[in-house]
Amino acid sequence: NAGVTQTPKFRILKIGQSMTLQCTQDMNHNYMYWYRQDPGMGLKLIYYSVGAGITDKGEVPNGYNVSRSTTEDFPLRLELAAPSQTSVYFCASSYSGVRNTIYFGEGSWLTVV
Amino acid sequence: TQLLEQSPQFLSIQEGENLTVYCNSSSVFSSLQWYRQEPGEGPVLLVTVVTGGEVKKLKRLTFQFGDARKDSSLHITAAQTGDTGLYLCAGNNNNDMRFGAGTRLTVKP
Repeated sequence: NAGVTQTPKFRILKIGQSMTLQCTQDMNHNYMYWYRQDPGMGLKLIYYSVGAGITDKGEVPNGYNVSRSTTEDFPLRLELAAPSQTSVYFCASSYSGVRNTIYFGEGSWLTVV
Repeated sequence: TQLLEQSPQFLSIQEGENLTVYCNSSSVFSSLQWYRQEPGEGPVLLVTVVTGGEVKKLKRLTFQFGDARKDSSLHITAAQTGDTGLYLCAGNNNNDMRFGAGTRLTVKP
């Protein structure tokens, strides 16, 4: 009963460090998404993918990179961490776009100091 | 500036009371969704509305999509403590889904 699984749950990074947030789903969904949620600001779309090998920028892509080599996995890469990237990150997936049910992971809390 | 404005930002009521929260935008959406999010968890979809003027009921929750597909409301009848959470609306156009900042509801026993 896994659904969408994100790792790590919590991470503290120093300014300038790099890291990858992992996301995997076991529902054979075509669409996957990465959102960030800042306090009082709702969720903002970073990147999304409509299938393996295809990725597109969302509302706030700067400072991030993604890849989608398999249907199951959609990692999010932060190359040079900045304090502005302190946030809660959610990975999500859906079968065929946002009009279908979107399933979210439990979130990854990232602090950049 | 949020594309979707949700009001009120915070709402604290007693168990048994009724409430309505709002989601407003100047943009037209092809569909709109409502989610509930509890602390430490991701949002969970409650409903998707597609047609202008559409009303959907989910037990004690009633969702309405505005005629012009720019706004929506969520009405809860006889609120229960289990309704406590952050209620988010999200408007969609061609896979570009934008979220509001949410209404944080607390239902006190």
